[in-house]
Amino acid sequence: GQQLNQSPQSMFIQEGEDVSMNCTSSSIFNTWLWYKQDPGEGPVLLIALYKAGELTSNGRLTAQFGITRKDSFLNISASIPSDVGIYFCAPATGAQKLVFGQGTRLTINP
Amino acid sequence: EAQVTQNPRYLITVTGKKLTVTCSQNMNHEYMSWYRQDPGLGLRQIYYSMNVEVTDKGDVPEGYKVSRKEKRNFPLILESPSPNQTSLYFCASSLVGGAGSPLHFGNGTRLTVT
Repeated sequence: GQQLNQSPQSMFIQEGEDVSMNCTSSSIFNTWLWYKQDPGEGPVLLIALYKAGELTSNGRLTAQFGITRKDSFLNISASIPSDVGIYFCAPATGAQKLVFGQGTRLTINP
Repeated sequence: EAQVTQNPRYLITVTGKKLTVTCSQNMNHEYMSWYRQDPGLGLRQIYYSMNVEVTDKGDVPEGYKVSRKEKRNFPLILESPSPNQTSLYFCASSLVGGAGSPLHFGNGTRLTVT
């Protein structure tokens, strides 16, 4: 079966620092999605990537769809306290269900 | 307001006592799904439904049942809960399944089975 590995599992950073996390897979996907889960809430879609090599930004967030279609990364620049939460990658192929990574828990020290 | 509503938010029960977690969406979405979230394991799909009266097993369906009699509701049923079903559960819906449209999640139900 497919293997999906998200890293790091947790990050402890200072406010203002940049953050980088990634997901790698043994399978090829057509879509990579990134979700964020705020404490006590359900995940919310941050960024969607639909083409290999695509680089997409959403404010301080930047995500890339790897050229091999087996990986993706998410960067957050100049972190702020509200960036705290758990980030999930969620790749998919066509109409198949999403597969979620294990999550990266981000903690920010003010 | 467009939303997915789960109830209850918190539930403590004992082994073997049947329970139902309700889920309702007001966005006329065709696709609905249940996930459980456990530390280090991310979100794992329990069951999903592509449309009314159509349900399929996800990755971890054992010990769970679902039904989709109406488009808006997708209850999760634990006929005989066990301690290993202690977890945080999320219901989600989208216009269509897969990556075709973003998933909208409820705020979760934290279940403890003693």
